[in-house]
Amino acid sequence: DADVTQTPRNRITKTGKRIMLECSQTKGHDRMYWYRQDPGLGLRLIYYSFDVKDINKGEISDGYSVSRQAQAKFSLSLESAIPNQTALYFCATSDPGTGEGGYTFGSGTRLTVV
Amino acid sequence: AQSVSQHNHHVILSEAASLELGCNYSYGGTVNLFWYVQYPGQHLQLLLKYFSGDPLVKGIKGFEAEFIKSKFSFNLRKPSVQWSDTAEYFCAVIQLNTGGFKTIFGAGTRLFVKA
Repeated sequence: DADVTQTPRNRITKTGKRIMLECSQTKGHDRMYWYRQDPGLGLRLIYYSFDVKDINKGEISDGYSVSRQAQAKFSLSLESAIPNQTALYFCATSDPGTGEGGYTFGSGTRLTVV
Repeated sequence: AQSVSQHNHHVILSEAASLELGCNYSYGGTVNLFWYVQYPGQHLQLLLKYFSGDPLVKGIKGFEAEFIKSKFSFNLRKPSVQWSDTAEYFCAVIQLNTGGFKTIFGAGTRLFVKA
């Protein structure tokens, strides 16, 4: 099994719909992250969580929300999807003992908003 | 604004050629530096990282990178590329400050290695 599992792998949704992307990890890490990848822009941080009771906004949190249900689970929601949220979304974890930034990424969710 | 620049968006090499991918950043404070690789259709994987100490770091698959603080650079190198190195490579800079951190990824460099 993968260390970081994201579901679904692909999703097409309509403008205005609410959608949730889910992430679970078996690394036992406290730190979890949601990133968005757009062609030519690299990855941008949406939200991150350093433990179950800790939620922090990243660079581009507008239009998104998150829930940290357990140490192993971190979900990302689009409250009312819009076409410019079409992107590849990655969940990641990190071990603070190895320093900030050494991420283990999931396989990604390709989201298309039509 | 703080940024991470990867100068080459596309690189085409023949097998056995040497590789150097540039990465420059604009933050003057303490940083953690990374290179990630994304093979076609796959997720990002950590190639190597620099936190402190020896500025020449070695990663997986024969890759290495050198941190030159005076040039704000962290270039990725490999002496002899293989067809299997075809992928997109991302430089990432974690800016550390007293309030926390800021993560900036470069836009990526697509490498195609001709067999």
